[in-house]
Amino acid sequence: NAGVTQTPKFRVLKTGQSMTLLCAQDMNHEYMYWYRQDPGMGLRLIHYSVGEGTTAKGEVPDGYNVSRLKKQNFLLGLESAAPSQTSVYFCASSYSFGTARGQYFGPGTRLTVL
Amino acid sequence: AQKITQTQPGMFVQEKEAVTLDCTYDTSDQSYGLFWYKQPSSGEMIFLIYQGSYDEQNATEGRYSLNFQKARKSANLVISASQLGDSAMYFCAMREGVLTTSGTYKYIFGTGTRLKVLA
Repeated sequence: NAGVTQTPKFRVLKTGQSMTLLCAQDMNHEYMYWYRQDPGMGLRLIHYSVGEGTTAKGEVPDGYNVSRLKKQNFLLGLESAAPSQTSVYFCASSYSFGTARGQYFGPGTRLTVL
Repeated sequence: AQKITQTQPGMFVQEKEAVTLDCTYDTSDQSYGLFWYKQPSSGEMIFLIYQGSYDEQNATEGRYSLNFQKARKSANLVISASQLGDSAMYFCAMREGVLTTSGTYKYIFGTGTRLKVLA
């Protein structure tokens, strides 16, 4: 049982390049989330998904797209990377809405955009 | 607008002592949830404890307890008998809204408190 995994762990991009971050969970969770963590700002929700084939915008969705083609996977895409997207990205999943169990987080992806 | 406020950027506590990490929140929802997470230097986020807005009793999980004062809109984390391994960043978070595709769901984190446990 790996929990939540993220690929890659580190990445450096040039401005304007594109990339996809992959999140996978093996806990059969319905709900999945993408956050970014910046110094002094805590975590901010980018997009989330309430189930396979569904996505919704969070607090800071601009510049990102997501897809949830399979229940266990949640992809975060950057079509044209900008230096403002330099951050640590966390994927999370949860068993149900409002669960007392909280969210399970992946180890994070550190992205630098030059 | 800032909805989760953690006013202590850093705290020190002596090993085996208790420590309280402050968290205040702001919401107009009647139904919401409050969470605490721990982030060690290794970077992962670890769920610690949850308090629902309708829960009358304060949540407890082992050495962690949540001092929930609804009228004051505070949800402080109390760690009893601190251990060296408790040294980490601690984040308070709030869930409000409905988790649907409509985008009304919000899961907001505070800026964190860095706790250092001294031997």
